[in-house]
Amino acid sequence: NAGVMQNPRHLVRRRGQEARLRCSPVKGHSHVYWYRQLPEEGLKFMVYLQKENIIDESGMPKERFSAEFPKEGPSILRIQQVVRGDSAAYFCASSPLGQEHGYTFGSGTRLTVV
Amino acid sequence: GENVEQHPSTLSVQEGDSAVIKCTYSDSASNYFPWYKQELGKRPQLIIDIRSNVGEKKDQRIAVTLNKTAKHFSLHITETQPEDSAVYFCAAYHQTGANNLFFGTGTRLTVIP
Repeated sequence: NAGVMQNPRHLVRRRGQEARLRCSPVKGHSHVYWYRQLPEEGLKFMVYLQKENIIDESGMPKERFSAEFPKEGPSILRIQQVVRGDSAAYFCASSPLGQEHGYTFGSGTRLTVV
Repeated sequence: GENVEQHPSTLSVQEGDSAVIKCTYSDSASNYFPWYKQELGKRPQLIIDIRSNVGEKKDQRIAVTLNKTAKHFSLHITETQPEDSAVYFCAAYHQTGANNLFFGTGTRLTVIP
């Protein structure tokens, strides 16, 4: 049973370009969460999605950032017009029914904006 | 929302000694408290968790305690080994509120051989 799969592992973008980060949850998990981790810092919640629904996006910046979890395919975190401050590790996690089972994290995507 | 504080931010211990990491939370409705271990460049991995109807839980060299009245919980690692060196995160969650885990800021544990 594959865990949470994230790709790419590393992504380099120039300022102003778009970054698309993908996350395939554990098979059977219907809840996906995105977190951002700046160097030497903790995990900051961004968004919580279920299939075709955004449940909580209170941690998502209001501009340039969007997320989706379509009926088919992986969850996508999209960052438009990237800036240097977007450089971070972005982790996706999934759970089967909600938090009481704990998260399973993916290996993360390390975004570097040059 | 929930606010989780974690101390210390860094901790160095001699191999074989014990390590204790402490967290406090603000929302008394929180009822689930997992701990994650993150090795350098790797994903956070769940190592132990505790629910609010339990005061203590043990798994080999790792134990977690919870004091609901004081709203704090702690991770205890006994007989530390070099491979315990990592960043440890505590987290808090409650089902009736925002449906996500709130993480502490992490503790970098170094076990000195």
